[in-house]
Amino acid sequence: NAGVTQTPKFQVLKTGQSMTLQCAQDMNHEYMSWYRQDPGMGLRLIHYSVGAGITDQGEVPNGYNVSRSTTEDFPLRLLSAAPSQTSVYFCASRPHRGDNSPLHFGNGTRLTVT
Amino acid sequence: QQQVKQSPQSLIVQKGGISIINCAYENTAFDYFPWYQQFPGKGPALLIAIRPDVSEKKEGRFTISFNKSAKQFSLHIMDSQPGDSATYFCAASTQGGSEKLVFGKGTKLTVNP
Repeated sequence: NAGVTQTPKFQVLKTGQSMTLQCAQDMNHEYMSWYRQDPGMGLRLIHYSVGAGITDQGEVPNGYNVSRSTTEDFPLRLLSAAPSQTSVYFCASRPHRGDNSPLHFGNGTRLTVT
Repeated sequence: QQQVKQSPQSLIVQKGGISIINCAYENTAFDYFPWYQQFPGKGPALLIAIRPDVSEKKEGRFTISFNKSAKQFSLHIMDSQPGDSATYFCAASTQGGSEKLVFGKGTKLTVNP
């Protein structure tokens, strides 16, 4: 039982490049989400999903796309990276939508856009 | 607009001392208030949580105090240890909207030996 696995751990992109941050969980959780963490800003919700085929926007969705084709995976896509997207990205999951069970976080992807 | 305001931004205490971190909120619909602990290089992990129907919840050395009328809640760490050195985040959500957990900006706690 690996929990929430994020890959890669580190990534450097040039402005305008695209990439996908991977997130997988093996706990059969319905709910998955992406947060970004910036110094002095806390954790801000980018996108979330309450089940396969269902996604919705969080607080800071611009510049990011998501899809949820399976229960296990929830990739985050940057279509055209910008320096403002330099951040640490965390994927998190919980068993069900609408409950307050703990969020299980991955260990993050540190992204630098030059 | 920041929905959950957390203070202080950083905190240094001596081993054995009491660490206190405060949070305030505006949205009276919030009804779930967790605290997450994050060590360097790791993702946050749930430490303790409270609902507004109780004024205090204690788990070991960690206590949440909740003041519904003042819309404030705080984390107290008794007998602070160097291993408690981490970043702490308060958060809030509504039952119906718990998909959107809103976090404070975090407090970096350093406990000196």
